[in-house]
Amino acid sequence: DQQVKQNSPSLSVQEGRISILNCDYTNSMFDYFLWYKKYPAEGPTFLISISSIKDKNEDGRFTVFLNKSAKHLSLHIVPSQPGDSAVYFCAASTGGTSYGKLTFGQGTILTVHP
Amino acid sequence: NAGVTQTPKFRVLKTGQSMTLLCAQDMNHEYMYWYRQDPGMGLRLIHYSVGEGTTAKGEVPDGYNVSRLKKQNFLLGLESAAPSQTSVYFCASSYVLAGGNEQYFGPGTRLTVT
Repeated sequence: DQQVKQNSPSLSVQEGRISILNCDYTNSMFDYFLWYKKYPAEGPTFLISISSIKDKNEDGRFTVFLNKSAKHLSLHIVPSQPGDSAVYFCAASTGGTSYGKLTFGQGTILTVHP
Repeated sequence: NAGVTQTPKFRVLKTGQSMTLLCAQDMNHEYMYWYRQDPGMGLRLIHYSVGEGTTAKGEVPDGYNVSRLKKQNFLLGLESAAPSQTSVYFCASSYVLAGGNEQYFGPGTRLTVT
């Protein structure tokens, strides 16, 4: 049972435009959400996170939106740059006694064309 | 700071052979995790540890054992490798923080079992 789903395996965007990556979850106990970026042959690196008490968090070109009623979050990258081309994973945790364990989505490959 | 390091980077095993993957972190993190990444599956948690001398099962623990004899090291063992264990293995660590915290990942170990 996939509790965190990224339904788009890939996304192609022109440089300078907005990239929107989506993620859906089914477990209503999730209360902390993260986005990771992964380049080939490297480990995932943390990008941005959001707590369930918020509906938006911004960090430079990256903004994460959370819609708890729809169990949906999205990552917006504006403007997109060729260096943003990578695999993006969303992840979720239940906080509390979960010991920081994360449940990951399948990933979305973002390609930003110059 | 080296962050999270993993040894080896690549390994090819024959079915039935055993091996140990080593993860080391120099950030004094309490929590450590082992994941495997397979195409289309995202990252799945194998085992995790919330402190020196403690380990617990994750989502896909079968065929693996772990040990955390020192706070900075987390070992993943395969006693009798099977082709289904061909994967990329990532180690991660995190500090203890109520409400959620990001994990820091190593560069990965690519394992092929023939």
